Amino acid sequence: GENVEQHPSTLSVQEGDSAVIKCTYSDSASNYFPWYKQELGKRPQLIIDIRSNVGEKKDQRIAVTLNKTAKHFSLHITETQPEDSAVYFCAASILSGGSNYKLTFGKGTLLTVNP
Amino acid sequence: NAGVTQTPKFQVLKTGQSMTLQCAQDMNHNSMYWYRQDPGMGLRLIYYSASEGTTDKGEVPNGYNVSRLNKREFSLRLESAAPSQTSVYFCASRLDDRNTEAFFGQGTRLTVV
Repeated sequence: GENVEQHPSTLSVQEGDSAVIKCTYSDSASNYFPWYKQELGKRPQLIIDIRSNVGEKKDQRIAVTLNKTAKHFSLHITETQPEDSAVYFCAASILSGGSNYKLTFGKGTLLTVNP
Repeated sequence: NAGVTQTPKFQVLKTGQSMTLQCAQDMNHNSMYWYRQDPGMGLRLIYYSASEGTTDKGEVPNGYNVSRLNKREFSLRLESAAPSQTSVYFCASRLDDRNTEAFFGQGTRLTVV
């Protein structure tokens, strides 16, 4: 099936620790893997993305790694801060039918950073 | 430059009523999407339009219809609302459906009683 699995569903860390969220996908034709952050009552917003021709991408405290062979990708947040507390979603751009791609999301991870 | 605009922000319907959720983007994007968000279920794709003139079913299309009115607008219609359609609905748009960022509207909180 064309789905994206995300783990864990909840994650609690102490301020300053690292947080890792993992996702797997089923379609080997997938070529784009974004991560979104959603604060309570707000819309999802992109924090980082990676394309299939790259294995790792970093932006300050946030990094994403992609293993195309194993079909999994991960979000790494270092030196976590209370304002990192939110729901994080992974997604994959999955080929559907003929030549169209759809953006499919994982079920989300509620990250809580304790002061 | 407003981005993606959804209307209404809140709506209460009675079972069996119909309504249309409106979505418009001013970024000249080709691809548009409708998602619903329920607790613990993430963002589930209802319908999408990879480009003007095309629409396709997503993961949970039953009970919904869509219209890609033009390049800017993509509406979602509930013909006969059911309590199971109580949810938060998000519209999103992308420059194309390959490997570009999706921008979301502010969401519509729909309650069906």
